[in-house]
Amino acid sequence: SQQGEEDPQALSIQEGENATMNCSYKTSINNLQWYRQNSGRGLVHLILIRSNEREKHSGRLRVTLDTSKKSSSLLITASRAADTASYFCATDRRNNDMRFGAGTRLTVKP
Amino acid sequence: NAGVTQTPKFRVLKTGQSMTLLCAQDMNHEYMYWYRQDPGMGLRLIHYSVGEGTTAKGEVPDGYNVSRLKNQNFLLGLESAAPSQTSVYFCASSYGGLVYEQYFGPGTRLTVT
Repeated sequence: SQQGEEDPQALSIQEGENATMNCSYKTSINNLQWYRQNSGRGLVHLILIRSNEREKHSGRLRVTLDTSKKSSSLLITASRAADTASYFCATDRRNNDMRFGAGTRLTVKP
Repeated sequence: NAGVTQTPKFRVLKTGQSMTLLCAQDMNHEYMYWYRQDPGMGLRLIHYSVGEGTTAKGEVPDGYNVSRLKNQNFLLGLESAAPSQTSVYFCASSYGGLVYEQYFGPGTRLTVT
């Protein structure tokens, strides 16, 4: 069963706009990670946020974590066509088992 | 550094045939993972290894076997392929457990007819 669920399933924006994706999960976690997947490629790690952190930045990426609501958001500012990809959240579980959501498909139109 | 490599990139099998997918990493990572990705779904963990000679089951292990022969290599075997195993398979490695990022290979697209 999937632990994280991303919302929306698909998002289409114009270049320069901001993109926000959300992730909800069901059980308590130690950390949450966001990954990007370009079409036909493997996943690439974007950012990891620990359960005792509320916000983290990396370049144009901003991730927030609200453990009381069991949710996280990924904000990409000033989006570019090259940001077109699927974005997945992943949460840790026991026994080294990381659970991925089904992803948000982001399309950035030039 | 090649990172994580997977062979083959594509494969078509008939039902009942067997095959082995090879994953190799050159980052000296202890942890290695095999996932499958089906349309509209996230990745699901098949098996993983926390070091040479060790393996453990993930979320969907049935129909697959694995072996970690050397620290660099993690093999995924299908003894008797079924159409339900048609998927894209990804290998990943990490320095430690789930507090570390995972590095993914490019994937193997497997079709079982």
